[in-house]
Amino acid sequence: DAKTTQPNSMESNEEEPVHLPCNHSTISGTDYIHWYRQLPSQGPEYVIHGLTSNVNNRMASLAIAEDRKSSTLILHRATLRDAAVYYCILRPHGSGNTGKLIFGQGTTLQVKP
Amino acid sequence: GAVVSQHPSRVICKSGTSVKIECRSLDFQATTMFWYRQFPKQSLMLMATSNEGSKATYEQGVEKDKFLINHASLTLSTLTVTSAHPEDSSFYICSAPPGQGRHTQYFGPGTRLTVL
Repeated sequence: DAKTTQPNSMESNEEEPVHLPCNHSTISGTDYIHWYRQLPSQGPEYVIHGLTSNVNNRMASLAIAEDRKSSTLILHRATLRDAAVYYCILRPHGSGNTGKLIFGQGTTLQVKP
Repeated sequence: GAVVSQHPSRVICKSGTSVKIECRSLDFQATTMFWYRQFPKQSLMLMATSNEGSKATYEQGVEKDKFLINHASLTLSTLTVTSAHPEDSSFYICSAPPGQGRHTQYFGPGTRLTVL
């Protein structure tokens, strides 16, 4: 599975935007970029995913570089409830998809009031 | 949306006893489920893939006889930690993969196991 690299931690102020980067230089053409987050003492939850184009949903936006070797998860207005560990994960599409998600270390986001 | 539940949410047991953790898909059928383990301040580590009606597939380094997995129905997978020791204390999380053509993977809330 292709590897992702994320900063260990980031800080943000409440109500401000947050940009969480992820590098995935060995991404293959069939890999989707997925983001999950894990709040303290809970299971991970899905945030967003994309392939080539930028994506928006009610939780966040995903900006994907043109060469797909990096992506950025954007929280438009961070709240205290967004404090979590954010995981960027590559997932093969099609026959290469076993359903497994392999987690890296993720980015611990701290939101300050 | 789809929900995965786990029971119990937390368990404390004595060293040498066995503990069973249940993972249920509440409103969908899951022929496959995944079991993860997470130590404090660390990421999730995939332990095994549970397959309905057949043997589980274990990741390298995970002891099959230590972590027994049974996937008896399309909505229930169980993980039994046999002869638990303090080093087995961890947060155990199950998940169900997305349906065909979908992308969202659903995770249970986790089970906190403490072995005394």
